[in-house]
Amino acid sequence: EDKVVQSPLSLVVHEGDTVTLNCSYEVTNFRSLLWYKQEKKAPTFLFMLTSSGIEKKSGRLSSILDKKELSSILNITATQTGDSAIYLCAVLDQGAQKLVFGQGTRLTINP
Amino acid sequence: DTGVSQNPRHKITKRGQNVTFRCDPISEHNRLYWYRQTLGQGPEFLTYFQNEAQLEKSRLLSDRFSAERPKGSFSTLEIQRTEQGDSAMYLCASSSQNFGYTFGSGTRLTVV
Repeated sequence: EDKVVQSPLSLVVHEGDTVTLNCSYEVTNFRSLLWYKQEKKAPTFLFMLTSSGIEKKSGRLSSILDKKELSSILNITATQTGDSAIYLCAVLDQGAQKLVFGQGTRLTINP
Repeated sequence: DTGVSQNPRHKITKRGQNVTFRCDPISEHNRLYWYRQTLGQGPEFLTYFQNEAQLEKSRLLSDRFSAERPKGSFSTLEIQRTEQGDSAMYLCASSSQNFGYTFGSGTRLTVV
């Protein structure tokens, strides 16, 4: 059965710190890995990673995929209180294109 | 078209009642998905349509659940004889051949 595991499940840091969130996966028909940010409602898209070793960046956020290790990391530098959210990692299945999600990392940024 | 729209936003129902949720996808997206998210968990896949055809259903989708997508546009998800364990956020998403996977804001169901 396809599986995505995120760590840590919960993280509390101070504003200005840098954080690294981890995602590992076991998926039969891998197409891409996606990161989402979820506050109170629907997940909002952050990154889609298909190729190994190529870093994607958006402002203070960056992410990279390692297909050999079946894992990805999401980095957030100079964290702000607005970064507090649940960060979800998901793998896109090649066939149906359904997403298999991890359980999420709850990130809390304290001022 | 501003995105995926779901109605209602919240639904409180008594155990044993039937409920129906609606999802309006992004108009040019031919794929539509339903997910369920419980507290502290990531969303779990329920079912998937390509146009009007329901192509895959998760084992999570018991006989009390049914989804339709008549004419390949909006979709409905019905839960019959609701149970307290059905309480969750029901998320709809749509996508196209070139990806563009977009989620709606969800319907939060509370069964009392």
